[in-house]
Amino acid sequence: EVQLVESGGGLVQPGGSLRLSCATSGFRLGNYAMNWVRQAPGRGLEWISYISGTTSVTKYADSVRGRFTISRDTAKNSVFLQMNSLEAGDTALYYCARDSLISTSSPYYFDHWGQGTLVTVSS
Amino acid sequence: QSVLTQPPSASGTPGQRVTISCSGSRSNIGSNSVNWYQQLPGTAPTLLIYTNNQRPSGVPDRFSGSKSGTSASLAISGLQSEDEGDYYCAAWDDSLNGRYVFGTGTKVTVL
Repeated sequence: EVQLVESGGGLVQPGGSLRLSCATSGFRLGNYAMNWVRQAPGRGLEWISYISGTTSVTKYADSVRGRFTISRDTAKNSVFLQMNSLEAGDTALYYCARDSLISTSSPYYFDHWGQGTLVTVSS
Repeated sequence: QSVLTQPPSASGTPGQRVTISCSGSRSNIGSNSVNWYQQLPGTAPTLLIYTNNQRPSGVPDRFSGSKSGTSASLAISGLQSEDEGDYYCAAWDDSLNGRYVFGTGTKVTVL
């Protein structure tokens, strides 16, 4: 069974940093691209970052490029999102999502999602 | 703001057919496949339709997707109370640096 479990969220002051983790199980992480998607309270879904499976190509939404970094550790079956220079507008529930097996250089579709971890940026 | 436009709401009585539209442009729907996600109240999104009209295993066949030009649509036939929730279309957008875009979302209410 495929499982994705996010952690690392919390309350942080503007300008601060957080590192989110996504622990995966039930599949070989190295074969799949992974994504982070966020949802601000009462709002819609926003894709923010992607890392490909075999080549580790990374992509970012304009709203986070230069501030957020996606990475993964296949030995630990985990994907990470390092978030720096956080702003109030980054407050959201952050989801980790597995991409389709055919995704090689850009997101295609997300066939499994975690339950999310909440990030609140406030002073 | 999202580049994929959906109606904010849709509704129907049990058993009715409901259709949700998703309007985009040449750089997203016009060039790439459309996917649909369902988000039931208080839960994470799940994949409902992929590659325009394919259903993942476990998704009932009363959900169907289609695409024409720069628009797509999701149809729910035989609406059920458990279908109440938010629905999002999504596609890769080739413009600028490239980005995966979600639609504005449609809240489906079962009357």
